[in-house]
Amino acid sequence: EVQLVESGGGLVQPGESLRLSCAASGFTFSSYSLTWVRQAPGKGLEWVSYISSSSNTINNADSVKGRFTISRDNAKNSLYLQMDSLRADDTAVYYCARVVSSASQVADYWGLGALVTVSS
Amino acid sequence: AIRMTQSPSSFSASTGDRVTITCRASQGISSYLAWYQQKPGKAPKLLIYAASTLQSGVPSRFSGSGSGTDFTLTISCLQSEDFATYYCQQYYSPSWTFGQGTKVEVK
Repeated sequence: EVQLVESGGGLVQPGESLRLSCAASGFTFSSYSLTWVRQAPGKGLEWVSYISSSSNTINNADSVKGRFTISRDNAKNSLYLQMDSLRADDTAVYYCARVVSSASQVADYWGLGALVTVSS
Repeated sequence: AIRMTQSPSSFSASTGDRVTITCRASQGISSYLAWYQQKPGKAPKLLIYAASTLQSGVPSRFSGSGSGTDFTLTISCLQSEDFATYYCQQYYSPSWTFGQGTKVEVK
C-alpha cells in the first residue's frame, strides 16, 4: 500500500525557518517524481514545488522561489521541503504527493498533510 | 502563469442529479488537465487525468471532456459520497496551477 506521511509542521514566527519531511513506503521511491502542494485555511489548492526522480529537474512556484528548497533522499525514501524566510501567507496545510509519471504530471497519492502556522 | 477558472464556485444538488462543472484555462493546454475531489479535512483524490482518463478505482459515473481551453467534469448520477469540493489542475506548464474549486452541496 502506498503511504506518504508528512512531519515537521508547527508554529513559527515570521522570518523563521522550518523543514518538512515526507516518509514514503509501498512503492519504488526512486522511480517517481514528487511534489508539494499547500492549502491555506479555508482556501484552495496551491502547487508549491516539484522534484524529479533523480533530482535532475526541480520547479518552484513563484510565490516560494528563493525561499523554499525541495530535496529528496532516495536511500531513505524521503522527500523534504526546506522553508526559509517564512511569511504569514505561507500558513497552510502542506501535502506531499506522488506524481504519476513524467508524461502524466498529476498526483495520484497524497499524504495527510502537515500544518504550518506562521504567526507572531 | 496559466490561470484556471472554474464555474460555478458552488452549487446545490440532490442525490441522483446529473451535475457538470466547468474549467477554463487562460491559454491552450491541450489535454493536460486533471480533476481532483476533496472532502473536508482530507487530502485531494485524483479522479481524472489527460482530460478524460478515469483514474483506477474511480466510479464510472465520473467523466471528463474537453481540450484546449475548455473542460468539463460530469457526474452522471450524484451519490451521497460525491458531495465535496472539486478542483481542476493544468500540467501543460511545469508550474502547475489549480482552479479555485467548486463546492457541491446538498440541496
